[in-house]
Amino acid sequence: EDQVTQSPEALRLQEGESSSLNCSYTVSGLRGLFWYRQDPGKGPEFLFTLYSAGEEKEKERLKATLTKKESFLHITAPKPEDSATYLCAVRPFSNAGNMLTFGGGTRLMVKP
Amino acid sequence: GAGVSQSPSNKVTEKGKDVELRCDPISGHTALYWYRQSLGQGLEFLIYFQGNSAPDKSGLPSDRFSAERTGGSVSTLTIQRTQQEDSAVYLCASSPHRGPYEQYFGPGTRLTVT
Repeated sequence: EDQVTQSPEALRLQEGESSSLNCSYTVSGLRGLFWYRQDPGKGPEFLFTLYSAGEEKEKERLKATLTKKESFLHITAPKPEDSATYLCAVRPFSNAGNMLTFGGGTRLMVKP
Repeated sequence: GAGVSQSPSNKVTEKGKDVELRCDPISGHTALYWYRQSLGQGLEFLIYFQGNSAPDKSGLPSDRFSAERTGGSVSTLTIQRTQQEDSAVYLCASSPHRGPYEQYFGPGTRLTVT
């Protein structure tokens, strides 16, 4: 069974304190791994897609990396506006369609 | 351009009543998905439409749930005889037919069953 586990469940950082969020996955075959940001009361906002081990993508203070078993979302010098829940999802080969299997998310709080 | 829109944004209903939730995908996106997000739980896949193909209903939790997509665009998710455990945020997403298949989500409909 395809599984996605995110850790930690919650993370409190001071502004400027860099850290990483983890997404571990177990799938029969990976067609893509996706990172989303979700603010309270809103739908998930697409951030990155990663397809193969070794791939990296960056956007402002965020960098996503991928290995064969996990992905990391690195946050460099975070600001309070980076506070949100970050969701990881996979698109496994086992899905006949293109639906995503999501992890439980990491709730990030950045204090000024 | 315009994103995915959903209506209503909030719906409060009594147990046993039927509800309809609407999703308007991004223009040109052929794939449409419904997910459910319950308090303290992750996003749960419900149903998937791709063009004119038969929908993938494998995620629907019971036969009280159904969905249709008219004209390859707007979709309606219907929940019959609502139960309290149906209370959740219902999210719709769309994606283009060709890769990279990123899904773009709407703001969701928060359903509360009293």
